[in-house]
Amino acid sequence: EAGVTQSPTHLIKTRGQQATLRCSPISGHTSVYWYQQALGLGLQFLLWYDEGEERNRGNFPPRFSGRQFPNYSSELNVNALELEDSALYLCASSFFGWYNQPQHFGDGTRLSIL
Amino acid sequence: EDQVTQSPEALRLQEGESSSLNCSYTVSGLRGLFWYRQDPGKGPEFLFTLYSAGEEKEKERLKATLTKKESFLHITAPKPEDSATYLCAVQGGSEKLVFGKGTKLTVNP
Repeated sequence: EAGVTQSPTHLIKTRGQQATLRCSPISGHTSVYWYQQALGLGLQFLLWYDEGEERNRGNFPPRFSGRQFPNYSSELNVNALELEDSALYLCASSFFGWYNQPQHFGDGTRLSIL
Repeated sequence: EDQVTQSPEALRLQEGESSSLNCSYTVSGLRGLFWYRQDPGKGPEFLFTLYSAGEEKEKERLKATLTKKESFLHITAPKPEDSATYLCAVQGGSEKLVFGKGTKLTVNP
């Protein structure tokens, strides 16, 4: 069974640019989650999508946004990139909902802002 | 606000030397406590879910336990391949999964 896949593996941008990160969930999973893992800060919850709808959002500015497509894949968009956006962005998926459902992670996209 | 604190930040063991990792938490209405393992350059790998105080789960050399305030990940007779960062996360009434910063475990042969 294929796991969660993310692309690209690495992404290099400059300040002010926009970045798009992509995620394909495990087959059968309808929920997709995005996390930011910055050095020294641990995983921080960004967004949760299910059935194409945004279900919950972490404490991040509106320039972090995303969407979920009918095939349950998802993309994360980060506008007006800042140096502190440099981090590993992880996508996870699960069967619907938070409750009692472990999230399974991809290997992430390393975003570097120059 | 839900919080998770893991200790120690780093732990070095000799192969076969058993030990425990700690995860202290404060959460409003615990729905689940999750343990993950993360290898360098990889995403977290799910290990266990614990739902209520007193619950225990085992997998190979790992055993996770849960009380009302903390969880322990016991590692029995570790091997070098157990070297990784172990992450603890809680899910409460806010629905968000809150992670600790992890314990980096190194097992020397």
